[in-house]
Amino acid sequence: GAVVSQHPSWVICKSGTSVKIECRSLDFQATTMFWYRQFPKQSLMLMATSNEGSKATYEQGVEKDKFLINHASLTLSTLTVTSAHPEDSSFYICSARGGQREWNTGELFFGEGSRLTVL
Amino acid sequence: GQQVMQIPQYQHVQEGEDFTTYCNSSTTLSNIQWYKQRPGGHPVFLIQLVKSGEVKKQKRLTFQFGEAKKNSSLHITSTQTTDVGTYLCAGRRGAQKLVFGQGTRLTINP
Repeated sequence: GAVVSQHPSWVICKSGTSVKIECRSLDFQATTMFWYRQFPKQSLMLMATSNEGSKATYEQGVEKDKFLINHASLTLSTLTVTSAHPEDSSFYICSARGGQREWNTGELFFGEGSRLTVL
Repeated sequence: GQQVMQIPQYQHVQEGEDFTTYCNSSTTLSNIQWYKQRPGGHPVFLIQLVKSGEVKKQKRLTFQFGEAKKNSSLHITSTQTTDVGTYLCAGRRGAQKLVFGQGTRLTINP
């Protein structure tokens, strides 16, 4: 099946710094990727939809200037948390619809997630 | 907006007991998906249900989609320790985004 790789898995940073998280589709082209945020013991909350070659579509309440999304190629989307603060600490996870076979099933393939801790 | 509610939030069972989690949507869905997320891991796709009243089985797992396409259930027969994790349902309405429920966290006493 399709594979999505996310990096880094863990990141600790100081308040005020920026952190970039990468999401790659390894064996298929993903024109659309999704970025989620998950707080402990809570569900996935969609932050934005990343579209290759165009601007991301952000969900209501998500600051586009704080969570910068770039989808410059068909296999890579990046999420940059700018001027991170402790309240931004969370589990960030990306996903993509799979290749041709999986596209028909509609399933999403998730990256391993990135746990961000802002001190 | 569309909401997907999942109950129970937590379930603890003895190994060998059955387990069921329920998913309810405030609106009629085009399809519903189920994912399993192991502790510390990422969600992994289990199945998608599309048709009204659809029932699908995967070994000890039985998935149902309600007649009105507003609810769904996942039933696990004779749980094993490998079933531990959070089970997430996600519903889609038309071409809209997938909305995830809060998940049901299953723990098992061996």
